[in-house]
Amino acid sequence: ETGVTQSPTHLIKTRGQQVTLRCSSQSGHNTVSWYQQALGQGPQFIFQYYREEENGRGNFPPRFSGLQFPNYSSELNVNALELDDSALYLCASSLVDGANVLTFGAGSRLTVL
Amino acid sequence: AQTVTQSQPEMSVQEAETVTLSCTYDTSESNYYLFWYKQPPSRQMILVIRQEAYKQQNATENRFSVNFQKAAKSFSLKISDSQLGDTAMYFCASLLNDYKLSFGAGTTVTVRA
Repeated sequence: ETGVTQSPTHLIKTRGQQVTLRCSSQSGHNTVSWYQQALGQGPQFIFQYYREEENGRGNFPPRFSGLQFPNYSSELNVNALELDDSALYLCASSLVDGANVLTFGAGSRLTVL
Repeated sequence: AQTVTQSQPEMSVQEAETVTLSCTYDTSESNYYLFWYKQPPSRQMILVIRQEAYKQQNATENRFSVNFQKAAKSFSLKISDSQLGDTAMYFCASLLNDYKLSFGAGTTVTVRA
């Protein structure tokens, strides 16, 4: 079975720009979550998607938005980038089966200059 | 809200020895899940062990075991027979029935040859 894949692995943007990060869920998983991990810190929950709808959101502003597609892949979009948005963005997929096990991708490292 | 605290920023252990990582959490819920994740330099978050709060028996996975003290809200991880490949950042995390993981700040474990 394939795991969670994310693209791009690294990217550099300038303040004010917009970025789209992509995630392909593990085969059979129907839920996808996004986390932001600043350097040296634990990941922070951004939001979760289930059946193509946002199913929960952390303490992030509206300029962080997402999509989940019928094939359960997902995008994270960030508008009006700020320097503090520099972080590792992790995607995790899971199955609504009560096991509550998330499978993570290797992340996209975003640097905002 | 859930708060997860890891009070040890760094731990060092000799190969083949045992190391214990501490974690405390704060939740008012009675049903929740606790996890230890490992994040090596490759950045991918890997599940090490999972504990369901309603189960009194401590979870074990090969060389990894936990000491779950529900009343004290403590969830420590013991790594036995440490191997060089165990060198990584270790995160304790808690999860309610909504797939939103709350992570601690992490503990860097270095296994010395």
